[in-house]
Amino acid sequence: TQLLEQSPQFLSIQEGENLTVYCNSSSVFSSLQWYRQEPGEGPVLLVTVVTGGEVKKLKRLTFQFGDARKDSSLHITAAQPGDTGLYLCAGLSGGSNYKLTFGKGTLLTVNP
Amino acid sequence: GAGVSQSPSNKVTEKGKDVELRCDPISGHTALYWYRQSLGQGLEFLIYFQGNSAPDKSGLPSDRFSAERTGGSVSTLTIQRTQQEDSAVYLCASTTGGFNNEQFFGPGTRLTVL
Repeated sequence: TQLLEQSPQFLSIQEGENLTVYCNSSSVFSSLQWYRQEPGEGPVLLVTVVTGGEVKKLKRLTFQFGDARKDSSLHITAAQPGDTGLYLCAGLSGGSNYKLTFGKGTLLTVNP
Repeated sequence: GAGVSQSPSNKVTEKGKDVELRCDPISGHTALYWYRQSLGQGLEFLIYFQGNSAPDKSGLPSDRFSAERTGGSVSTLTIQRTQQEDSAVYLCASTTGGFNNEQFFGPGTRLTVL
């Protein structure tokens, strides 16, 4: 079973602060996705990273895929209350082109 | 355009009863997933449908769980003889199955088994 460990599990910060959340595994993934989920809704895709070492930016969010494609990080600059939500990473293993393995998520609260 | 819809949004049932959860995927999406999300847990894969291929049922936790997808569109997840540990949010997602495999999720059905 391939596992994705996310840390921290919970994070509460003030508006304007920076933060980084992590997604780690002992397995190699052919691609890795980050989703954000708000209460009462389904997850929404933020980004997909495919190449080892790849960095993608989405406004104030920066995503990085580890060189060995076993880990990823999400960095948020100057967090806003609208960033509040559950951040989930999900990996697509080399053995499957459709089955995603999800981490348990990081619950982020940004206080005004 | 309409997104993925699920019904009911909430379901409260008594232990031992059967429940049916419905998912309407985005029109034209050939692939459909069911996941279970328990408190403090990530999304647990249940079942995958792709076109006319045999579904991947490897994630179904027991034979009390079954799912159908009729006409390549609407899907129903059925849980027979519900148990308290079945309480969770059940999420449906559909996708075109492209390389990035972006999954579009519905809002989920929150199931509570008393």
